[in-house]
Amino acid sequence: GAVVSQHPSRVICKSGTSVKIECRSLDFQATTMFWYRQFPKQSLMLMATSNEGSKATYEQGVEKDKFLINHASLTLSTLTVTSAHPEDSSFYICSAFPLSSGDSYEQYFGPGTRLTVT
Amino acid sequence: GQQLNQSPQSMFIQEGEDVSMNCTSSSIFNTWLWYKQDPGEGPVLLIALYKAGELTSNGRLTAQFGITRKDSFLNISASIPSDVGIYFCAGQLWEYGNKLVFGAGTILRVKS
Repeated sequence: GAVVSQHPSRVICKSGTSVKIECRSLDFQATTMFWYRQFPKQSLMLMATSNEGSKATYEQGVEKDKFLINHASLTLSTLTVTSAHPEDSSFYICSAFPLSSGDSYEQYFGPGTRLTVT
Repeated sequence: GQQLNQSPQSMFIQEGEDVSMNCTSSSIFNTWLWYKQDPGEGPVLLIALYKAGELTSNGRLTAQFGITRKDSFLNISASIPSDVGIYFCAGQLWEYGNKLVFGAGTILRVKS
C-alpha cells in the first residue's frame, strides 16, 4: 500500500512551453501533497504545499505564477511549469500525506519526474 | 529558516564495514526521518523517529533521535554493495503542516 505515482517520468520540452506533471496517490487519499525540486547532486528543496480544495502555499523564492499547482481531488495534484526555461530543468518529486495517518506522520514519495528544457 | 547539517558529505568504505552518519540542527524537530535515494528515483523511508531519545532499528540500520530533538544519527552495520546510494536525514515540523526539511545528503560508495 501507500503508493504514489508521477507522470510523466521524463519529459523534454522546448523553452517557452508549459509542462504539466501529475502526482497521484494510488491507494490512499491525501489532503496534503508536497512538491519538491532536486538539482543534480543536491538535496530536495520544498517548493510548495498543495492542499485539496484550496490554494497552494509556496515556499519563499518560488514563483507561484510560474509553478502552478492544482489539487483537484484527494488523489491528484498537478504541477504546471509555465513558460519553461533551461534553468527549470530539474528532478521534480511529489509526496503525499495520507488523510488517515493515525499516529504516523509519514509522507510517501513519488518516483520523480525528470524535466529537461531545451 | 530551519537547516539541517548532515555529515559526512560522502563516504567510500569497504564492504562489511559499519557506517555512521549524522544530522544536527539549531532547531527542534518533532520527527526525524532517514531516507535513501537511488539515482533517478524518489526517496524511500528507512527509519522514522518520533520521540526524543528513541533508538530504532530496521534490519542492519539503527537510528537515534537526540535527547535535545536537534540531532540524529544513522548507523549501517556490515555494509553491502546494495547500500550504495544517497542517504538523507529530514526533520519534520507538525505545527508547520508536516513540512520536511532535508539535509544535504551523504553519498555512500562501497568497495566490493
